[in-house]
Amino acid sequence: GAGVSQSPSNKVTEKGKDVELRCDPISGHTALYWYRQSLGQGLEFLIYFQGNSAPDKSGLPSDRFSAERTGGSVSTLTIQRTQQEDSAVYLCASSLSPGQGAVGNQPQHFGDGTRLSIL
Amino acid sequence: QKEVEQDPGPLSVPEGAIVSLNCTYSNSAFQYFMWYRQYSRKGPELLMYTYSSGNKEDGRFTAQVDKSSKYISLFIRDSQPSDSATYLCAMILLSGGYQKVTFGTGTKLQVIP
Repeated sequence: GAGVSQSPSNKVTEKGKDVELRCDPISGHTALYWYRQSLGQGLEFLIYFQGNSAPDKSGLPSDRFSAERTGGSVSTLTIQRTQQEDSAVYLCASSLSPGQGAVGNQPQHFGDGTRLSIL
Repeated sequence: QKEVEQDPGPLSVPEGAIVSLNCTYSNSAFQYFMWYRQYSRKGPELLMYTYSSGNKEDGRFTAQVDKSSKYISLFIRDSQPSDSATYLCAMILLSGGYQKVTFGTGTKLQVIP
């Protein structure tokens, strides 16, 4: 299908290693969001992209976390020097943006996430 | 205090029952309200999207918003085992030209055949 695609679906790595998570949004969606979902914590907002720019990075938990988006499409979330508390499911969502349609037509469509486990 | 409160459950009901899922919120600036369904090891899937106070119906699902009480509900009629999932409420605040979404923690629902 043409939904949001995330890779890898699962990632197990040792504490201290760097990891890179990838998100392919729905074609034509200019808005892209990263969330983190931990057990019992709900979805925690990390960062928002409009095109290749990130006007809101307020949810990134520390400077070990960074994200970029290229070509207004694919986005990567990088976690450096991973810690055990980084273990979670990282979800990506995309949507149309204001101006591309009425707000009522802008639901966020989610990928199935990357399950990250830090040993 | 969290901006959005949602009972985590689990909620267990027999097949055919009417299910009521609820969220309360504290930020009166929230403008749009959504319900997502999330199956195990899958991403959230949008079920309902509402703006104004009142009811919105879609098949077996009814979303209800009471802005004066800061309370939203999702009703599922004739519940089926396939409805077993975690249900997340979500609220949108439009800020700086984009939507900032705050999610509840989710209610885990199990429908027993």
